[in-house]
Amino acid sequence: KNQVEQSPQSLIILEGKNCTLQCNYTVSPFSNLRWYKQDTGRGPVSLTIMTFSENTKSNGRYTATLDADTKQSSLHITASQLSDSASYICVVSGGGFKTIFGAGTRLFVKA
Amino acid sequence: EPEVTQTPSHQVTQMGQEVILRCVPISNHLYFYWYRQILGQKVEFLVSFYNNEISEKSEIFDDQFSVERPDGSNFTLKIRSTKLEDSAMYFCASMITPDLNTEAFFGQGTRLTVV
Repeated sequence: KNQVEQSPQSLIILEGKNCTLQCNYTVSPFSNLRWYKQDTGRGPVSLTIMTFSENTKSNGRYTATLDADTKQSSLHITASQLSDSASYICVVSGGGFKTIFGAGTRLFVKA
Repeated sequence: EPEVTQTPSHQVTQMGQEVILRCVPISNHLYFYWYRQILGQKVEFLVSFYNNEISEKSEIFDDQFSVERPDGSNFTLKIRSTKLEDSAMYFCASMITPDLNTEAFFGQGTRLTVV
């Protein structure tokens, strides 16, 4: 069964600290993996997109990694800011038009 | 910056009524999607649309749902005979192509409340 599992479910960190969010997937065939940031009540906003051959991709303070062999991805946030408080969603495309969303990690950044 | 626009932002309807959710994708995009997010749950794929026809749909997208692009601009999701469990945020998204490195742009969503 195609699934995307994210951990932790929620995370609280202090402003300025780093954190890493995890995503494991069982989607097959694999097309690409995306990380999105979703503020409460808003639509998801794309952070990174990685294909099978890409191991790392950065977007400012966000760095995503992908291990296609173990089917794991991580999103590392450096020097967190209060505005980073949001849900971070891992999305895997398995070919065709269908996409599988993870449940997200809810990140709270405290001053 | 171009964006996907959804209207209305919030729709309240009585159970059994029909609703139409509207989306204006980014103008040069060719692939369109609807997603649903029940409060507190994950985003779920509903349907994809390309070249004026449905490309793929999930098991959620049953005969109660339909999509169309009536005028080459708007992309609509119709929900017939709404049920309480249809209450959710509905997101529209568009892409230039569904290729590997293409970004999907999401609208801000329509919050549908069925009472």
